[in-house]
Amino acid sequence: DAGVTQSPTHLIKTRGQHVTLRCSPISGHKSVSWYQQVLGQGPQFIFQYYEKEERGRGNFPDRFSARQFPNYSSELNVNALLLGDSALYLCASSFPRTVLQETQYFGPGTRLLVL
Amino acid sequence: DAKTTQPTSMDCAEGRAANLPCNHSTISGNEYVYWYRQIHSQGPQYIIHGLKNNETNEMASLIITEDRKSSTLILPHATLRDTAVYYCIARTGNQFYFGTGTSLTVIP
Repeated sequence: DAGVTQSPTHLIKTRGQHVTLRCSPISGHKSVSWYQQVLGQGPQFIFQYYEKEERGRGNFPDRFSARQFPNYSSELNVNALLLGDSALYLCASSFPRTVLQETQYFGPGTRLLVL
Repeated sequence: DAKTTQPTSMDCAEGRAANLPCNHSTISGNEYVYWYRQIHSQGPQYIIHGLKNNETNEMASLIITEDRKSSTLILPHATLRDTAVYYCIARTGNQFYFGTGTSLTVIP
């Protein structure tokens, strides 16, 4: 079975631009989470979507938004890019057995460089 | 969510057991402990998780103390491919909180 896929793998943008990152979950998984990982740090939670509804949001500005489609794939959008948005953006999918026990499986990430 | 603390780095000889500790002294009764690892620039890879009992799978063993304030991930026979950053995460609700993890280097 295919794992979590993300596109593109790499991206270069300039300050002020907008970017859209895409994620396809593992087949049968209904939940997608997004994380930002800057160099030298662990991933930071941005959003989680389950059955197309936002289920959680981390401490990120409104420039960050996301959505989930009927086929459970997801997009992460970032507006008005800043240099500090340069990071590895990770998508994780899960099939929540319970709210408390949910193993997330990560994709390879999209590396975004903002110049 | 409970915060976790891990040593910044560790070394382990190839073929020996690697024991990675994690403190989660503020963990609550319903918070699972998850372990992931991340090999350079790749997405984190799930290793194992547990609540109260010790757990074992094909990758590793997880030992959780009786008071649940700490746990240890054991890689029984470390190989060079196990060189990675290992994250211990105490999780509740819908968020995983990653710290900075432990950078494990397996030495030939």
